[in-house]
Amino acid sequence: AQSVTQLDSQVPVFEEAPVELRCNYSSSVSVYLFWYVQYPNQGLQLLLKYLSGSTLVKGINGFEAEFNKSQTSFHLRKPSVHISDTAEYFCAVSEAETSGSRLTFGEGTQLTVNP
Amino acid sequence: GAVVSQHPSRVICKSGTSVKIECRSLDFQATTMFWYRQFPKQSLMLMATSNEGSKATYEQGVEKDKFLINHASLTLSTLTVTSAHPEDSSFYICSASRRTGSVNYGYTFGSGTRLTVV
Repeated sequence: AQSVTQLDSQVPVFEEAPVELRCNYSSSVSVYLFWYVQYPNQGLQLLLKYLSGSTLVKGINGFEAEFNKSQTSFHLRKPSVHISDTAEYFCAVSEAETSGSRLTFGEGTQLTVNP
Repeated sequence: GAVVSQHPSRVICKSGTSVKIECRSLDFQATTMFWYRQFPKQSLMLMATSNEGSKATYEQGVEKDKFLINHASLTLSTLTVTSAHPEDSSFYICSASRRTGSVNYGYTFGSGTRLTVV
């Protein structure tokens, strides 16, 4: 079984500042890692994912994340945020080699970008 | 890209009635469909997992007779909330995954359904 811990429930930042949303995971098997964004009353949109290969993953909207196997982390970063980045962000993990494996989500981080 | 269409987006029903929520994968065949429930300001809670043509696997604590899941084809899965009560009011989200051999195409989420039982 896997578990995901998002270390910050709320992250307030000013516009154009850099941001890092932290995510740590626990698993006894190889995993795939994901970051999703959710706007109010909407479903989840994939920001980026790590399946294999380069540990630095670039996603949409200027976000990137780095897979660190030794620290079991997959932190999300953006060098300069916009007001429109205000949303809930979820880190998720699934088993890498199991067909139809479920996604296990963290508790979410509310990013609020202030002017 | 992969798209999952979820309908309705919002529904209000009377207590005791049943509500059906549909999820369709528009441009791919979903080998597995997941149904989640989300309470306000909380994470997604997996309710059940279904594979096409098979019975759904429910998570512990989820009543299978209350939340009926049908995955009759590779492009359509439905969740029916039977005899709904106000405590069933929530945001329901489906997710489809597709995997062919060693290639994992990831997960695509529907836009969610806000159910309000009055």
